[in-house]
Amino acid sequence: DIQMTQSPSSVSASVGDRVTITCRASQGISSWLAWYQQKPGKAPKLLIYAASSLQSGVPSRFSGSGSGTDFTLTISSLQPEDFATYYCQQANSFPPLLTFGGGTKVEIK
Amino acid sequence: QVTLRESGPALVKPTQTLTLTCTFSGFSLSTSGMCVSWIRQPPGKALEWLARIDWDDDKYYSTSLKTRLTISKDTSKNQVVLTMTNMDPVDTATYYCARTQQWLGYYFDYWGQGTLVTVSS
Repeated sequence: DIQMTQSPSSVSASVGDRVTITCRASQGISSWLAWYQQKPGKAPKLLIYAASSLQSGVPSRFSGSGSGTDFTLTISSLQPEDFATYYCQQANSFPPLLTFGGGTKVEIK
Repeated sequence: QVTLRESGPALVKPTQTLTLTCTFSGFSLSTSGMCVSWIRQPPGKALEWLARIDWDDDKYYSTSLKTRLTISKDTSKNQVVLTMTNMDPVDTATYYCARTQQWLGYYFDYWGQGTLVTVSS
């Protein structure tokens, strides 16, 4: 199975900061990658799919990049509602044994 | 408007079989390209994908759990059912169902609110 490694596991940042989270796949997955945001007690929310496509309704301060094995989620100017845990997910097509990264918690500095 | 809702027991005993139901609306699992997955999250830990069923009744399971899982659908009731046998305390988690639109890729665009299952004697 494809393993997904996120870093860092946590990051402390202030409102207005630029935050970057990385995700590395154990083998190439082309652009088959998504990013989710999860707040405590809530279900995850899809932010980015196909590595760089913004899901409808998601603010443009969120962006994704990368292909192959290395991917990045960037929040250009952190807002109070962005403090949450972020997960990457690989969606390599066949067989579709889907896996998530270990998560990155974005905390208030 | 797409919604999904998980239901099932909040508490199961070790060795028992867990049965969870995902009831959804706003889409049909008879529509080409539609899929529903189960995903779980132990308290304080990461997400883990468990199983997926497609509109054409193809089924896929997590490698590590496939001997314990069965996924099925009832298209007429808009429901997907997951059974997990031989439950253990390490299976304590919030269990989510989520939709995938295959044309978009195997991503989860709508999720249920989750149901917490505790395994304890």
